[in-house]
Amino acid sequence: QKEVEQNSGPLSVPEGAIASLNCTYSDRGSQSFFWYRQYSGKSPELIMFIYSNGDKEDGRFTAQLNKASQYVSLLIRDSQPSDSATYLCAVMRDGQNFVFGPGTRLSVLP
Amino acid sequence: DADVTQTPRNRITKTGKRIMLECSQTKGHDRMYWYRQDPGLGLQLIYYSFDVKDINKGEISDGYSVSRQAQAKFSLSLESAIPNQTALYFCATSDPTGRGYTFGSGTRLTVV
Repeated sequence: QKEVEQNSGPLSVPEGAIASLNCTYSDRGSQSFFWYRQYSGKSPELIMFIYSNGDKEDGRFTAQLNKASQYVSLLIRDSQPSDSATYLCAVMRDGQNFVFGPGTRLSVLP
Repeated sequence: DADVTQTPRNRITKTGKRIMLECSQTKGHDRMYWYRQDPGLGLQLIYYSFDVKDINKGEISDGYSVSRQAQAKFSLSLESAIPNQTALYFCATSDPTGRGYTFGSGTRLTVV
């Protein structure tokens, strides 16, 4: 079992819809959780981080964390074609290094 | 100017050659990292350093070495490049709070 798992996609949603991206992790000691967006050939950029169970909202983005079930998700409301990218889930353990999932490719169709 | 600068941006090299990828940062962070990215495999940690005197192997360090010349500079070397080291390489920095990494623009390395 990989430490951080994501569906590779592609996940296709129509413009204006809600895109739901999911991530599961295996280490119960994981403390912090991050979502990065990566456009093709570019570097990852941080979208959100979440530490506590529940929801955290920032504009059109909502991160959800459930430590009991060991999953973290990212919701993108009112999806735009410019949201088309690969979304990487990252988990920090031991306060030191991140472990990245393989990423989910999102395609928002106009 | 970018917070994290990687050079070169692209490099094609031959099997067996030694190559160095360089990274410099203006964030003032102590922590620096080297990752490689292959399609469908996400980011894999090669080496990391928490200060100038601290160097640690990551999950895929074989065939690579690093040097932390200063707080702001962290270079990655391939002593004898092989074709399966063809990948996109990223340098990153972070502060101790762990509130995310700042990545460089990446170096696309092709070994022929």
